[in-house]
Amino acid sequence: EDQVTQSPEALRLQEGESSSLNCSYTVSGLRGLFWYRQDPGKGPEFLFTLYSAGEEKEKERLKATLTKKESFLHITAPKPEDSATYLCAVKGAGNNRKLIWGLGTSLAVNP
Amino acid sequence: GAVVSQHPSRVICKSGTSVKIECRSLDFQATTMFWYRQFPKQSLMLMATSNEGSKATYEQGVEKDKFLINHASLTLSTLTVTSAHPEDSSFYICSVGSSGGPQETQYFGPGTRLLVL
Repeated sequence: EDQVTQSPEALRLQEGESSSLNCSYTVSGLRGLFWYRQDPGKGPEFLFTLYSAGEEKEKERLKATLTKKESFLHITAPKPEDSATYLCAVKGAGNNRKLIWGLGTSLAVNP
Repeated sequence: GAVVSQHPSRVICKSGTSVKIECRSLDFQATTMFWYRQFPKQSLMLMATSNEGSKATYEQGVEKDKFLINHASLTLSTLTVTSAHPEDSSFYICSVGSSGGPQETQYFGPGTRLLVL
């Protein structure tokens, strides 16, 4: 069964304190791994798509990496405005267009 | 990416009434839109896939007669919650698929908070 597990469930950082969020997945024939940011009361905002192991993508303080079993979202020198829930989702070969979602990591960055 | 809007952003209704939520793709002609529901502290749950000009495809356990979906144009899909009850209170979010191909990305609207009294 396709599955996505995110850890930690919650993370509190000081401003400037770098860290990583984990997304472990099990899927038949990965067609894409997606990272989204969700602010309270808002819809998810697209961040990255990764398609194959070894791929990396970067945007400002965020960098996403992918292996055959997991993805990391690295946050370098975070700022309070990076506080949000970060969601990971995968699309497999057998799921048509359906995304399988993790529960997210709630990140709080203190000034 | 695609820009998606939803209306209303928040709605409160009485039990037994029907509520319509609109999802618009503002800069992209979307043959397919997706409708999700999200409860507090839970992941997004796909309710149905809305196809322009044809019937929606509902996920297992989602009542198609209760959650009516209409995708009449390439820029508009509507979700109508019929005879709403307090357990239907939730955050409803739509998304647009960027291409329909293997490298499709979904772009989400801002969501609609429904509270049924």
